[in-house]
Amino acid sequence: EAGVAQSPRYKIIEKRQSVAFWCNPISGHATLYWYQQILGQGPKLLIQFQNNGVVDDSQLPKDRFSAERLKGVDSTLKIQPAKLEDSAVYLCASSRGAGRSPQYFGPGTRLTVT
Amino acid sequence: GESVGLHLPTLSVQEGDNSIINCAYSNSASDYFIWYKQESGKGPQFIIDIRSNMDKRQGQRVTVLLNKTVKHLSLQIAATQPGDSAVYFCAENTRHSSASKIIFGSGTRLSIRP
Repeated sequence: EAGVAQSPRYKIIEKRQSVAFWCNPISGHATLYWYQQILGQGPKLLIQFQNNGVVDDSQLPKDRFSAERLKGVDSTLKIQPAKLEDSAVYLCASSRGAGRSPQYFGPGTRLTVT
Repeated sequence: GESVGLHLPTLSVQEGDNSIINCAYSNSASDYFIWYKQESGKGPQFIIDIRSNMDKRQGQRVTVLLNKTVKHLSLQIAATQPGDSAVYFCAENTRHSSASKIIFGSGTRLSIRP
């Protein structure tokens, strides 16, 4: 079974620029998550999708972050405009269901904002 | 409140010894707990999970213990190997509004002494 795929693996941009990350979940997984992981901390949930609907985006900074999951499979996360404090690893995860179901993570995208 | 914490930020263990990583959680309504292993430059890797109706679960070389009375979770790794070096996160599933949410702790770094 192929794992969660993410691209790019690394991205360096200047502040106020925009950036987009892509995620392809494990086949058959209905739930998709985007996390932000700042160095030395645990992952923090940004947004959770169930199929192509948003379940939880309470911690997504909606003035600059947006995400979509068209057709209930792949997902993109966008930051526009980026700030220095957005430097982090952005992790995508998927699970068969929501709640009591293990999440499987991709390798992440390391974003550096200068 | 909703928080997951760890007693020790770092743990150094002799190769071949058993490792015990501890975690405290604060939400008594949490019903599902997961341990993840994160190696440098990689996404978190699912190790083992446990539901709140159990107090012990065993996997290959790993055991998770859950004490709901004191809201404590531990991960035991038998015969620790160099490949076990990583940051270990505990996570809890808690209800937030109408959705379940996985909340991660800040992690414990496990290092192995030869």
